[in-house]
Amino acid sequence: QVQLVESGGGVVQPGRSLRLSCAASGFIFSNYPMNWVRQAPGKGLEWVAVISFDGNNIYYADSVKGRFTISRDNSKNTLYLEMNSLRGDDTAVYYCARVEGVIGDDNWVDSWGQGTLVTVSS
Amino acid sequence: QSVLTQPPSVSGAPGQRVTISCTGSSSNIGADYAVHWYQQFPGTAPRLLIYGNNNRPSGVPDRFSGSKSGTSASLAITGLQADDEADYYCQSYDSSLRGSVFGGGTKLTVL
Repeated sequence: QVQLVESGGGVVQPGRSLRLSCAASGFIFSNYPMNWVRQAPGKGLEWVAVISFDGNNIYYADSVKGRFTISRDNSKNTLYLEMNSLRGDDTAVYYCARVEGVIGDDNWVDSWGQGTLVTVSS
Repeated sequence: QSVLTQPPSVSGAPGQRVTISCTGSSSNIGADYAVHWYQQFPGTAPRLLIYGNNNRPSGVPDRFSGSKSGTSASLAITGLQADDEADYYCQSYDSSLRGSVFGGGTKLTVL
């Protein structure tokens, strides 16, 4: 079955960087686009970024554009999120999510990881 | 402020039918992009409930159904059960933002 396991979360000071990883298994990783979606404590879901199956097409939410970088290594079945210049409002659980559909068009999440908590605080 | 608007809460008694609305605009639902729905229990990851407006993944009971009209969509739950108590989110694609957008979420309480 599909498994997505995030890691790399933790407490980080404002302005610093953090890299999240998501190890995928149970499906052909290189066939699927992938999302990062986050959820601030007690708040709703917020889409962060999406990457195509081959890494050639990438889109970001305005709130993270220029600070976050999504990437993937299909040889390692792993998705990444490099987060720079972190701010307090980046505090959230970050979910790795498998995408069905077409990025840049109709698409949805059919599988989610368990999430990793990122806390930005001094 | 979420791009898609949902009521913060809805409630119903066991066995009843409830609906959750999701209102968008001409750059997302109104542009004929599909609406998808997710269910989330406290402390757990969301799970896909409805995709492509009205399709259920395997394992989702047929008590859950979706519909879409114009710039709005709805999730209907019939035969309400205690374990339906959860948060529900709608999601679509927005052509102006060039990305996915979510509703703010609706907390369903089973009385």
